[in-house]
Amino acid sequence: AQKVTQAQTEISVVEKEDVTLDCVYETRDTTYYLFWYKQPPSGELVFLIRRNSFDEQNEISGRYSWNFQKSTSSFNFTITASQVVDSAVYFCALSDRNSGNTPLVFGKGTRLSVIA
Amino acid sequence: DGGITQSPKYLFRKEGQNVTLSCEQNLNHDAMYWYRQDPGQGLRLIYYSQIVNDFQKGDIAEGYSVSREKKESFPLTVTSAQKNPTAFYLCASQLPDRGRRGYTFGSGTRLTVV
Repeated sequence: AQKVTQAQTEISVVEKEDVTLDCVYETRDTTYYLFWYKQPPSGELVFLIRRNSFDEQNEISGRYSWNFQKSTSSFNFTITASQVVDSAVYFCALSDRNSGNTPLVFGKGTRLSVIA
Repeated sequence: DGGITQSPKYLFRKEGQNVTLSCEQNLNHDAMYWYRQDPGQGLRLIYYSQIVNDFQKGDIAEGYSVSREKKESFPLTVTSAQKNPTAFYLCASQLPDRGRRGYTFGSGTRLTVV
């Protein structure tokens, strides 16, 4: 069975600090996709990134970076020089390629508070 | 612009009443989903539909019902059988691409029982 674990329920940091959000996943499949979503206070989930299981290159987008390690089944998300606007709930999710349109499996989310 | 529209944004229900939450998309997506979000619980799947006139129960379907008569629309009815309906409800849609694509989400409906 597929599972996504976000062990950090809540994190608080001071503005300009770096912060890493952890995501550990379980799947028996060799082909799968991992996602990160951001949920700001407005409520709508916003897509941040997708990574397929064959691409272990780390990705950087501005202050955001993602570290995918198949050896540890982790897909961690780092925000560099955090800002108050980064305050949100962040969800990690897993999709099995062979399951067609079956639902994504979400972690329980990590609430990040960035304090000015 | 294409997207998903959920309405209303806020909804109040008296105990014992059924209410229907609207979800409409103009993205031409085949699959649509309903999730419930409670504080600290993450997203829990209520129902989903992969094609018109077909839908499946998710993890917490009891007390809810859905229909999928049109590709664009996937309304969720919260029935009086749902004992604790106060929550934030999110609708999402997805292209059929064997798991490659994630979801597009609506902005949610916050339901409160009064």
